[in-house]
Amino acid sequence: SYELTQPPSVSVSPGQTASITCSGDKLGDKYACWYQQKPGQSPVLVIYQDRKRPSGIPERFSGSKSGNTATLTISGTQAMDEADYYCQAWDGSTFVFGTGTKVTVL
Amino acid sequence: EVQLVESGGGLVQPGGSLRLSCAASGFTFSNYWMHWVRQAPGKGLVWVSLIYSDGSGSTYADSVKGRFTISRDNAKNTLYLQMNGLRAEDTAVYYCARVYCDGTRCSSGLGYWGQGTLVTVSS
Repeated sequence: SYELTQPPSVSVSPGQTASITCSGDKLGDKYACWYQQKPGQSPVLVIYQDRKRPSGIPERFSGSKSGNTATLTISGTQAMDEADYYCQAWDGSTFVFGTGTKVTVL
Repeated sequence: EVQLVESGGGLVQPGGSLRLSCAASGFTFSNYWMHWVRQAPGKGLVWVSLIYSDGSGSTYADSVKGRFTISRDNAKNTLYLQMNGLRAEDTAVYYCARVYCDGTRCSSGLGYWGQGTLVTVSS
C-alpha cells in the first residue's frame, strides 16, 4: 500500500521558520495537501494542490514540492501554530495520509 | 456555511455492527464526493472510504474492505458508514469530510470536516 513519510517532530523558535517534509514514491506525480490538527479539534486544510492556500489560511503557511518530496513551510512561526501536521495524497483510487509531524514552538 | 455533523458512535462488542451518519448542510450535498476518515486515540489520521457524488462508486482502505460500506442519501443530505465485523483496532474517532473547491474546481484536499463521533470496540 502507498505510504507517505514525515519526521515525527519538528521544533522551532517563535518567529523562525519551520519546515516539514513528506516523502512518498511517485509523490511528484500526485498533488499533496497539508492539514493542521490541534488537540481535541478536527483537522484543518492549510495547503492543497501542493502550494495553494484555502481562504482564511494565513500567508505564513506555504507549500512546495521537489521530486517525490513535498514540504510545508511555516514562516514567522507563532505559538498558535503548535500542532500536529499531516500531508495527504490521492493515488487515483485511495487517499493516503502521512505519518504526522508534531510541531513544537519553543 | 458548510456543516457536517456525525452521529451514531458508541460502545460495541467485537464482531458487532454500527452505522454512522453524517448530516450535511450549507451546500448542495449531491454535487460532492464525500469521505470518512478515522483517528485512533493518540494516533494519526487514517482515510477510510470515499463515495462519488451520485453514489455510483466508492473505494475503501484495505483495512476495512469487505467489512465497511459507505453510502449516501442525497435526498436527505446524509452520508452513512455501515460497519460490520468490528475489531478492537477499529476504535477511533470517525470524521466525515468534504473536498475543498475554489470556484468551480474541486481539489483532492478535504476542506470541511465534522466534529467526529467516537466508536469504541471492546468487550
